[in-house]
Amino acid sequence: DQQVKQNSPSLSVQEGRISILNCDYTNSMFDYFLWYKKYPAEGPTFLISISSIKDKNEDGRFTVFLNKSAKHLSLHIVPSQPGDSAVYFCAGLELCIQEQGGADGLTFGKGTHLIIQP
Amino acid sequence: KAGVTQTPRYLIKTRGQQVTLSCSPISGHRSVSWYQQTPGQGLQFLFEYFSETQRNKGNFPGRFSGRQFSNSRSEMNVSTLELGDSALYLCASSLEGTAYEQYFGPGTRLTVT
Repeated sequence: DQQVKQNSPSLSVQEGRISILNCDYTNSMFDYFLWYKKYPAEGPTFLISISSIKDKNEDGRFTVFLNKSAKHLSLHIVPSQPGDSAVYFCAGLELCIQEQGGADGLTFGKGTHLIIQP
Repeated sequence: KAGVTQTPRYLIKTRGQQVTLSCSPISGHRSVSWYQQTPGQGLQFLFEYFSETQRNKGNFPGRFSGRQFSNSRSEMNVSTLELGDSALYLCASSLEGTAYEQYFGPGTRLTVT
């Protein structure tokens, strides 16, 4: 059972326009959602996160929106730049597992390959 | 501050062999997590170590094991390799296990032939 789904394997956007990456989840126990960015031959890099009690978090060109009722979140990148071309992973985190001495509880989606075209 | 380092970066093994991968976390970080990335399954959590103890384990067979040393360096071992074990193995470190402050290494690309 895939708890975090990124249904678009790839997305092509023109430079300067808005990129919208989507993520759906089934686990209502997630406390945080995180976005990671990954370039080829490098490990993922943390981008932005949002608490499950909020509906929006903004950091520069990156904004994450959370719709809990729809169990959907999205990452908006405005304006898109060539350096944004990468694979973006959405992940959910259950803090209660961590506090019980468990793992970090991160559950990743399969990623969306964002391609920014000049 | 040096980042997370993983060795080796690339590895080719034969079915049935075993392999050991190494991860050196960021200085001061006590938590090390391991992930497997494949095209079909994406990024999947293997296990996390904190202060030399395995805190939790993902849904992987017992052929996958790990350990952590007193200096927080961690090793991951896969025994009786199968073709399906071909993947990118990523290590991530964090200060106390706080997942949203994880820092990933570049990964070890394992190919099983």
